[in-house]
Amino acid sequence: AQSVTQPDIHITVSEGASLELRCNYSYGATPYLFWYVQSPGQGLQLLLKYFSGDTLVQGIKGFEAEFKRSQSSFNLRKPSVHWSDAAEYFCAVGARSGGYQKVTFGIGTKLQVIP
Amino acid sequence: GAGVSQSPRYKVAKRGQDVALRCDPISGHVSLFWYQQALGQGPEFLTYFQNEAQLDKSGLPSDRFFAERPEGSVSTLKIQRTQQEDSAVYLCASSLWRYEQYFGPGTRLTVT
Repeated sequence: AQSVTQPDIHITVSEGASLELRCNYSYGATPYLFWYVQSPGQGLQLLLKYFSGDTLVQGIKGFEAEFKRSQSSFNLRKPSVHWSDAAEYFCAVGARSGGYQKVTFGIGTKLQVIP
Repeated sequence: GAGVSQSPRYKVAKRGQDVALRCDPISGHVSLFWYQQALGQGPEFLTYFQNEAQLDKSGLPSDRFFAERPEGSVSTLKIQRTQQEDSAVYLCASSLWRYEQYFGPGTRLTVT
């Protein structure tokens, strides 16, 4: 079974600073990888996904993530954080199971942005 | 519709009551998922539908939880005899078969 580790429960960055959120996964084959963002009281919004091909993936809102097979990682990055990026971020791994994707989420990283 | 919708957004139930949570997926999406998100945790898989067929219910925590999607569109998650440990946000997601999932806003269930 697949699993996801997000080692940082809470991160605080200054507005304008760069951001990197860590994600490590465990899965026996090539995984499908996702980053979702959740604002308070909202559902999850997909930021970006990796299915195959280029290991550097661009997403919405200026986010990118890099799939590193050797490190089993899929870290999320943004060069300059905006106050509106304050939210909770979830890394997830999807595995084919009977023709559909069974997605396992990490515990989440809560991002605080200070002026 | 434009996105996945869920109702009600908030539900308070007394312990022992039955509740029903509704999910309207994106039109045309074959796959529908239910997740449970406890406070401070990531979503955890409950069950999966492909059209009207419930293909995976391995995540349902007990036989008090029941889900259906009779016409392959709207789905209902029912919890019988609610317990305090059922308090959580219940998220619904839909997708075009094996592609990325689109989530609704969730229903926050509080059992008192």
